[in-house]
Amino acid sequence: DAGVIQSPRHEVTEMGQEVTLRCKPISGHDYLFWYRQTMMRGLELLIYFNNNVPIDDSGMPEDRFSAKMPNASFSTLKIQPSEPRDSAVYFCASSFTLRVSNTGELFFGEGSRLTVL
Amino acid sequence: AQKVTQAQTEISVVEKEDVTLDCVYETRDTTYYLFWYKQPPSGELVFLIRRNSFDEQNEISGRYSWNFQKSTSSFNFTITASQVVDSAVYFCALSEAADDYKLSFGAGTTVTVRA
Repeated sequence: DAGVIQSPRHEVTEMGQEVTLRCKPISGHDYLFWYRQTMMRGLELLIYFNNNVPIDDSGMPEDRFSAKMPNASFSTLKIQPSEPRDSAVYFCASSFTLRVSNTGELFFGEGSRLTVL
Repeated sequence: AQKVTQAQTEISVVEKEDVTLDCVYETRDTTYYLFWYKQPPSGELVFLIRRNSFDEQNEISGRYSWNFQKSTSSFNFTITASQVVDSAVYFCALSEAADDYKLSFGAGTTVTVRA
């Protein structure tokens, strides 16, 4: 079975450019998460969706960041305009459910490494 | 406030030594889950174990073992007879009912196993 698929794996861009990261969750999973990993702040939850609806975006750093989930099989994280401090690895993860009756295990993609020059 | 504390930033051991990674968590929930994830140099996050708050039984899986103690709010992870392939960053994480079971990660512990 395919896992969580992220693209691109690596992105190098210049400050001010728009960046779009993509994620395809595992089929059937109803939760989708976007995490950011940096040396300074570790793994931070940016936003998560349940059944394609954003539930909590309190981790999104600022208005330059936006995330969408137009359908159950696709999500995007967009940064516009990008800044050097946005350089990080961005992980997408999905889960069937977070509730007690299930494992609550998150399945992570391989991450998208973003470098903003 | 930090919900998960991994006090050890880096641990370096020689192959075949045992290594224990500490994890202390903070929650007011009675229902919660604790996790360990491994991040090898290749970068992906690999799930290792999940423990729920109602099950304090320790677990062993091959060379890995976990010690869950609610009295001290700790969920420590031991690698027995470490191998070079165990070199990775290990993250402890917590999910709470009150927080919709979102995962909160600790800062991670980098384990380096030298041959």
